[in-house]
Amino acid sequence: AQSVAQPEDQVNVAEGNPLTVKCTYSVSGNPYLFWYVQYPNRGLQFLLKYITGDNLVKGSYGFEAEFNKSQTSFHLKKPSALVSDSALYFCAVRDISFYSSASKIIFGSGTRLSIRP
Amino acid sequence: DGGITQSPKYLFRKEGQNVTLSCEQNLNHDAMYWYRQDPGQGLRLIYYSQIVNDFQKGDIAEGYSVSREKKESFPLTVTSAQKNPTAFYLCASRIPTGEDTEAFFGQGTRLTVV
Repeated sequence: AQSVAQPEDQVNVAEGNPLTVKCTYSVSGNPYLFWYVQYPNRGLQFLLKYITGDNLVKGSYGFEAEFNKSQTSFHLKKPSALVSDSALYFCAVRDISFYSSASKIIFGSGTRLSIRP
Repeated sequence: DGGITQSPKYLFRKEGQNVTLSCEQNLNHDAMYWYRQDPGQGLRLIYYSQIVNDFQKGDIAEGYSVSREKKESFPLTVTSAQKNPTAFYLCASRIPTGEDTEAFFGQGTRLTVV
């Protein structure tokens, strides 16, 4: 089965500095990878996805992610952090059942990003 | 204004009661999902449905039930068999054809056992 891992529970960054939130994946076949953000007591919002093509994917709110096949990683990045970026971030992977045509999205455990002024 | 609506936002349940969480979408998506979120544990899949009148168990289906009688609706019932139901529940939908499509989420229902 497909899976994703987020090795850091918390990432702390000063405002204006670059940020990285790490994600590694394990898939059979082509990986379909996603990043989502969650603000307190809210649903998840889609940020960006990697399907194929360019390894650097650009998304919402100035975020980007770098797909690295050899390291099986899909780290989320932003060149200059804002206090408003403070939230919970989830990496996710598409998982297909071999017994049906159903597919589902599997989420990592989440990383809390805290940006200090 | 398209989207996914979950109701209620907050729900309180007495021990031994069944409760039903509502999820409605007007995005014309075929696939719908229910996730449970506990602090520090990320999202765990309860049930998912690829099409009307069909659904599959996710990783933590015990103590839950669903129905999918209409494309727009995917209600989740938390039964008395679910021993630890206090959690934040999230509903999502997506277009299943074309595996690169992202999921859209509702705003969640926070269920508390009192």
